[in-house]
Amino acid sequence: GAVVSQHPSRVICKSGTSVKIECRSLDFQATTMFWYRQFPKQSLMLMATSNEGSKATYEQGVEKDKFLINHASLTLSTLTVTSAHPEDSSFYICSARDSRGRRNQPQHFGDGTRLSIL
Amino acid sequence: SQKIEQNSEALNIQEGKTATLTCNYTNYSPAYLQWYRQDPGRGPVFLLLIRENEKEKRKERLKVTFDTTLKQSLFHITASQPADSATYLCALDDNNNDMRFGAGTRLTVKP
Repeated sequence: GAVVSQHPSRVICKSGTSVKIECRSLDFQATTMFWYRQFPKQSLMLMATSNEGSKATYEQGVEKDKFLINHASLTLSTLTVTSAHPEDSSFYICSARDSRGRRNQPQHFGDGTRLSIL
Repeated sequence: SQKIEQNSEALNIQEGKTATLTCNYTNYSPAYLQWYRQDPGRGPVFLLLIRENEKEKRKERLKVTFDTTLKQSLFHITASQPADSATYLCALDDNNNDMRFGAGTRLTVKP
């Protein structure tokens, strides 16, 4: 089945550090990838839609200068949390949809990145 | 405002029984709805998709219904097993090519 690899799985760093998270589709191409944030016992909140070769589309309330997204190829999207602060601590999950499929194709998720800012 | 509500935060049932999870939505007109399973510390895994013109969809011990009049989907696991214990998320399309997720129901199946 389709596999999405997300790296790193866990990051612990000091306040003010910038953290980059990678999301790769391993056996399919993804024109579009999605970045979510999830707090304990809460739903996945869509942060932004990452589009290959163009600018990401951010959800209302998500700071584009804070959460930098780059989708440089059909198999890789990166999320950089710039100058992270304790309130940015969360579980970040990416997903991808096979470009060849219809819009209602399921999303394939990475295993998430647990970000802890001290 | 738009809402996706899953009936309860947690559901405990005995092994062998049928688990029924509910997903209700407000101010959406989804063309399809999906159910995912999420284990602790992991990303969600796709289980089933049901389209607006389908009343029911089955896959092994799983059954999903979709009632666009009630704006509700029911997710059933028959002959439940302890290995079915996980959080189950419903997700629906918001007509903008994005999926919106409910908060999930944490199912515990006791042996």
